[in-house]
Amino acid sequence: EVQLVESGGGLVQPGGSLRLSCVASGFTISNHNMNWVRQAPGKGLEWISSITASGSATYYAASVKGRFTIARDNAKNSLFLHLNSLRVEDTALYYCARENVLMVTCDSWGQGTLVTVSS
Amino acid sequence: QSALTQPASVSGSPGQSITISCTGTSNSFVNYNLVSWFQQHPDKAPRLIIYEVTQRPSGVSFRFSGSKSGNTASLTISGLQAEDEADYYCCSYADGSSYVFGAGTRVTVL
Repeated sequence: EVQLVESGGGLVQPGGSLRLSCVASGFTISNHNMNWVRQAPGKGLEWISSITASGSATYYAASVKGRFTIARDNAKNSLFLHLNSLRVEDTALYYCARENVLMVTCDSWGQGTLVTVSS
Repeated sequence: QSALTQPASVSGSPGQSITISCTGTSNSFVNYNLVSWFQQHPDKAPRLIIYEVTQRPSGVSFRFSGSKSGNTASLTISGLQAEDEADYYCCSYADGSSYVFGAGTRVTVL
């Protein structure tokens, strides 16, 4: 069974940093591009970042570019998101999602980890 | 990226059919069949129900169907059931190896 489990969320002050992790099981992430998608409380889904299967290329939404860094460790079947210079508007549930290249979409999602930015 | 526009809410009675629209203007949305749809129940992760405009992943009910004409994609739910009450998001693969989501449509079963 495909599973994605995120962790690392929490309460942080504006300007602070966090590192989110996503551990995959039931499949090998080295065969997939991986994504992070977030959802602010009561709001819709927002794609924020993706990384190719090998890790050779990364992509970011304008809202997080220059502040967030996506990374992966294929040996540990894990995906990461480093969040720096956090803002109140970054408060959201952060989902890790597997990309299916044949479907050209994200076909499996974790349950999310909550990041709250507040003073 | 260009936004995808969805109605805020759609409702229907059990057994009826409803359709949710998703309008986009980007080249990738209009000229390629790279639209997917997700269902999200409260406090749950999104679930893929349609990909490449019309395709259903394994395990998704045949009551869900997708289509696209020009700059508008649509999700139709036939034989509406209480369990279909959820938020639905359209999504399009976009330039720069990114994705863009619609704002979501709340489906209410009356």
